[in-house]
Amino acid sequence: GDSVTQMEGPVTLSEEAFLTINCTYTATGYPSLFWYVQYPGEGLQLLLKATKADDKGSNKGFEATYRKETTSFHLEKGSVQVSDSAVYFCALSDRHSNAGNMLTFGGGTRLMVKP
Amino acid sequence: EADIYQTPRYLVIGTGKKITLECSQTMGHDKMYWYQQDPGMELHLIHYSYGVNSTEKGDLSSESTVSRIRTEHFPLTLESARPSHTSQYLCASSDWAREDEQYFGPGTRLTVT
Repeated sequence: GDSVTQMEGPVTLSEEAFLTINCTYTATGYPSLFWYVQYPGEGLQLLLKATKADDKGSNKGFEATYRKETTSFHLEKGSVQVSDSAVYFCALSDRHSNAGNMLTFGGGTRLMVKP
Repeated sequence: EADIYQTPRYLVIGTGKKITLECSQTMGHDKMYWYQQDPGMELHLIHYSYGVNSTEKGDLSSESTVSRIRTEHFPLTLESARPSHTSQYLCASSDWAREDEQYFGPGTRLTVT
């Protein structure tokens, strides 16, 4: 079945550092890929998405490129801020799978940014 | 701004009590979901609904039950709470046009003593 694997955290960075959170996936069909973010005490919010190979999703300075050849969707940001401290979830939906358009989430990666 | 609400935000309750976690959305979304989030942050889908009078079990077996009598309301009930039910419960919704873009509520943190 479908699965998503992301790097374990916590990831601790200083403000203005470069961020990469790795995400790889396994899917039977042609999935759409997502990054969701969960700030402390809140639910998840959609951060960005990409629906086909080579698409780049971007939002709030974050970006991720759908790489079919490496089955990856790594999240990057050039200069993190303290306010980016949160848990980041990589996810996929595969309309051709038995689960239809249900989301399959990775385990989450906690990011801590220090001033 | 997503309009999906969960009450209570925090609940501490004794073993054996019956509880209902409320979830409401004002976006007119047909699909709604309940996730259980463990302390390690991983999310597990426990229930979902395609619309009124539709309920389905998710990937993780749960002793909870759900109902969907109105489009906007998707409550989750535990008939007899146990310490193993201690967790964070997240409700979400989506519409058919963008059903893989889910909007999440703030969650209910349940502690069963």
